[in-house]
This record gives sequence, structure tokens and C-alpha cells, in this order.
Amino acid sequence: EVQLVQSGAEVKKPGESLKISCKGSGYSFTSYWIGWVRQMPGKGLEWMGIIYPGDSDIRYSPSFQGQVAISADKSISTAYLQWSSLKASDNAMYYCARLGSGLDVWGQGTTVTVSS
Amino acid sequence: DIQMTQSPSSLSASVGDRVTITCRASQSISSSLNWYQQKPGKAPKLLIYAASRLQSGVPSRFSGSGSGTDFSLTISSLQPEDFATYFCQQSYSTPPMYTFGQGTKLEIK
Repeated sequence: EVQLVQSGAEVKKPGESLKISCKGSGYSFTSYWIGWVRQMPGKGLEWMGIIYPGDSDIRYSPSFQGQVAISADKSISTAYLQWSSLKASDNAMYYCARLGSGLDVWGQGTTVTVSS
Repeated sequence: DIQMTQSPSSLSASVGDRVTITCRASQSISSSLNWYQQKPGKAPKLLIYAASRLQSGVPSRFSGSGSGTDFSLTISSLQPEDFATYFCQQSYSTPPMYTFGQGTKLEIK
């Protein structure tokens, strides 16, 4: 079964760092782009950026450039999204998704709560 | 950047109704348009890709049409499980910058 499994919910304080993960299985992880999508509470979907694990080519949405870092470790079929200093405005659900014909496989989402 | 505008933002309908949601791109995106369904507390699910191609396993009551700047998603006969939020997404931009529409919430009348 093709699937993406994300790491669990996180509760952090403002200013802390965080790295969440997205592990692919059931397909060739290095052959598909993996995108990251933010959904703030009660809001729509926002495109953050995308990585090609085969060569770690990364493209960021201008809105998220410099705010987050996307990476991947192809040896363990895992993509990452990280923050160096969280803000309250980073409170959201974060999804990873595989780019096939459209975003055809999604992770279950990781909730990030930032609160003092 | 390509902007995507969906309408309506919300819609009330009854089981058995035929409904259409539209999505307009700020510039031509050929047929590079996808539709997703999202239910509360769940990840989005791909319904339609390349404007009109039905994703495997998606019921045939869902259909998509359009090209250029104007697109639509039609549900031919609403079922109870179809009440959800629907998003369009363009996949035309390179490097991949796949912006979403703001969503259409489909509610039971």
C-alpha cells in the first residue's frame, strides 16, 4: 500500500525549534516530489513548498521562503519540514503529499501547537 | 503568481441535487487543474486531475471540465457522504508552485 505517515502532534513554545517528518512507503520515494501544505484552524489549504527526494531539489512558495526549511533523507524515505524559531502564527495542521497526477497520496497531518 | 478563485464559498444543497462549483485562474493554466475533497478532521483527497480526469476509486458522479482560466466540478446526484469542503488547485506553474483556491463548503440544506 502506498502511504505517507507523518510524525505525531507537537506542542511547543514560541522561539523553540521543530522538525516534523513524513515517511513514504509502498513506492519509489526518490521518484516523486513531496509537497507540504499548511492549514490554519478553520482555514483553507496553503502551498508551502516541495522537494524532490531523488536529488533534494527544493522549491518554496514565496510566502514561506525563509520561514521554514524543507529537506529529505532518501535513505530512510523521509521528508522533513522544520522551523528554527516557532511563532504563535505557526499554529496549524501540516500535511505532506505526493505529487503524482495531482497530490494523489496525503499524509494524515501533523498538528503543531505553539503556545506560551 | 497565479491566483485561484472559487465560487461560491459555501453552498447548501439536498441529497440528490446536482451541484456545480467553479474555479477561475488569474491566467491561463491550460488543463492543469485538480480538485480535492476534504472532510472535517481528515486530509484532503484527490478527486479530479488534469481538469477532467477522474482519480481511481472516485465515484463517477464527480466530473470536472474546463480549460484555460475557467473550470468546474460537478456532482451529478449528491450523496450524504459528499457534504464536505472542495478545493481547486493549479499545477501549471514552474517551478512547482501549486496554489489552491479558497475552498467551497458544501452543506446539507
